[in-house]
Amino acid sequence: GESVGLHLPTLSVQEGDNSIINCAYSNSASDYFIWYKQESGKGPQFIIDIRSNMDKRQGQRVTVLLNKTVKHLSLQIAATQPGDSAVYFCAEKDNYGQNFVFGPGTRLSVLP
Amino acid sequence: DTEVTQTPKHLVMGMTNKKSLKCEQHMGHRAMYWYKQKAKKPPELMFVYSYEKLSINESVPSRFSPECPNSSLLNLHLHALQPEDSALYLCASSQSAHNEQFFGPGTRLTVL
Repeated sequence: GESVGLHLPTLSVQEGDNSIINCAYSNSASDYFIWYKQESGKGPQFIIDIRSNMDKRQGQRVTVLLNKTVKHLSLQIAATQPGDSAVYFCAEKDNYGQNFVFGPGTRLSVLP
Repeated sequence: DTEVTQTPKHLVMGMTNKKSLKCEQHMGHRAMYWYKQKAKKPPELMFVYSYEKLSINESVPSRFSPECPNSSLLNLHLHALQPEDSALYLCASSQSAHNEQFFGPGTRLTVL
């Protein structure tokens, strides 16, 4: 299940199931989005990106969906594995800015 | 070489000390960044260098002083820090300000 509160939102999934991590953004001018994975004690690792002229992009076991109408981004991980356990951040940027704004993050826990 | 390296990995310093964090990349990237990350929070942008010139300073206190000696190196000089400055300091680089950022492993800083 998923919980949101004072702590980092957490999503728990069974190994082998698909995971969906969601992200809402507020800047309607944002035109470039990235998903990062951050494991404990490490820096964020690039997973997949998408530009605003697309609504879906697929990588290896991951898919990013972009809904510009409701300003929503999601990351789908197929056949979730223990190694997928980490904190996942979405990041957005508009064409004029030089920096990415990160979302609050979601902790993904994969249950055996 | 497709990675961003940071040294040291860990640093403990007193409030009167002067220390420096170092970051290096050999991917030919022309934008480099310093972020600060507190536990269970997303990275917060501190500084952006573009073509070796400081282009963004996100209202960071002067006890943090960035330096970009050349296109491959980025330093963060620390002086008279406070205990609340304890955090993970992340360096990132990107081909330009409009491309994905690649992060280093970070320096875990503790201020006593």
